[in-house]
Amino acid sequence: GAVVSQHPSWVICKSGTSVKIECRSLDFQATTMFWYRQFPKQSLMLMATSNEGSKATYEQGVEKDKFLINHASLTLSTLTVTSAHPEDSSFYICSAREGGRPRNTEAFFGQGTRLTVV
Amino acid sequence: AQSVSQHNHHVILSEAASLELGCNYSYGGTVNLFWYVQYPGQHLQLLLKYFSGDPLVKGIKGFEAEFIKSKFSFNLRKPSVQWSDTAEYFCAVPFSGGYNKLIFGAGTRLAVHP
Repeated sequence: GAVVSQHPSWVICKSGTSVKIECRSLDFQATTMFWYRQFPKQSLMLMATSNEGSKATYEQGVEKDKFLINHASLTLSTLTVTSAHPEDSSFYICSAREGGRPRNTEAFFGQGTRLTVV
Repeated sequence: AQSVSQHNHHVILSEAASLELGCNYSYGGTVNLFWYVQYPGQHLQLLLKYFSGDPLVKGIKGFEAEFIKSKFSFNLRKPSVQWSDTAEYFCAVPFSGGYNKLIFGAGTRLAVHP
């Protein structure tokens, strides 16, 4: 299947700093990408939908000023956790769907990024 | 609102045992259902999906799932598990109007012992 790559795979940062996570579609162009987070022993929760060339759509309860999403190209979406705090420590996962294909085309997932804020 | 629940959080089996993982959904629209698997250290992968038609869906690696509308269920099955099936399994439904925007169940962690 298609490959979606996240970078970094893990990151440790100090409280108050910002962290950028990249999500790349390696062999297809993704007009839409999705960002999820997964707390320990819990399921994945959708945070936002990232659309190339337009503003991201955030799910209820997700602070858009805290989690900045940029989808500037058809192969890259970035999630920036601004002024990170320990409660932002989580596993962040992206998925990407190829543009120009039927709406029910499968989205592929990245390997995830484990963020630890100390 | 859509929701999905998985009954078993941890399952431990011996190789060759049969597997059934429960998934129930609450969904008001056209039913689309998914099972994903996450092997240790790997990407989430699609095991199988149901859109319409035959309620018994065959997936990869010998997995299957049966959509039972009257029970709002989409249980995952495999007749004989292998050690390599050790992974976490997630049932999912899409948000209304968003095929790839998914609501995931809590997940079931499966451990298969040789």
